[in-house]
Amino acid sequence: AIWMTQSPSLLSASTGDRVTISCRMSQDISNSLAWYQQKPGKAPELLIYAASTLQSGVPSRFSGSGSGTDFTLTISCLQSEDFASYYCQQYYSFPLTFGGGTKVEIK
Amino acid sequence: QLVESGGGVVQPGGSLRLSCAASAFTFSSYGMHWVRQAPGKGLEWVAFIRYDGSNKYYADSVKGRFTISRDNSKNTLYLQMNSLRAEDTAVYYCAKDGQLEGFDFWGQGTLVTVSS
Repeated sequence: AIWMTQSPSLLSASTGDRVTISCRMSQDISNSLAWYQQKPGKAPELLIYAASTLQSGVPSRFSGSGSGTDFTLTISCLQSEDFASYYCQQYYSFPLTFGGGTKVEIK
Repeated sequence: QLVESGGGVVQPGGSLRLSCAASAFTFSSYGMHWVRQAPGKGLEWVAFIRYDGSNKYYADSVKGRFTISRDNSKNTLYLQMNSLRAEDTAVYYCAKDGQLEGFDFWGQGTLVTVSS
């Protein structure tokens, strides 16, 4: 199985901040990585797939980068609606795996 | 577009079948997943089935106990869960496979509680 290390697990930030979340794989997954946002009591929503492609309807302040084993999600200017949990996921090989999650909270 | 049902309270060792009704897309053309989330925890992928049911994959934690299936004539995905354990307590989501584009649609989830 492919192990994923997502960091940080908790991120305190203010509206307008630029934030980055990291996801590191135990082996090369090319660009088979997605990022999801989840708000309390709701289902996850796809933000980015193929490491850097923005899902339709997702604001351009979200961006993804990386390939191989190291990936990053960046929110360029944090908005109030962005305070949520974020998860990376590899879909390179089964069993599929998610990162442990990052909760972005208000500082 | 994806609506789960069938969750509830079940005793350890018991069984439960979840359903996921799909609409607004061509269900028979897409692979489907089950993903779960224990209370206060992260996401865990559970199982996948190809569009035609020809291949199925499972997480090690459920292999041999859970079975994923689908009925394309009814636009419905299933998860048969046997020999349930306390650690299977979670919200279970069905999700549409985006064909190398992540999981692009999710249901609202159904809660399964395994407790005596």
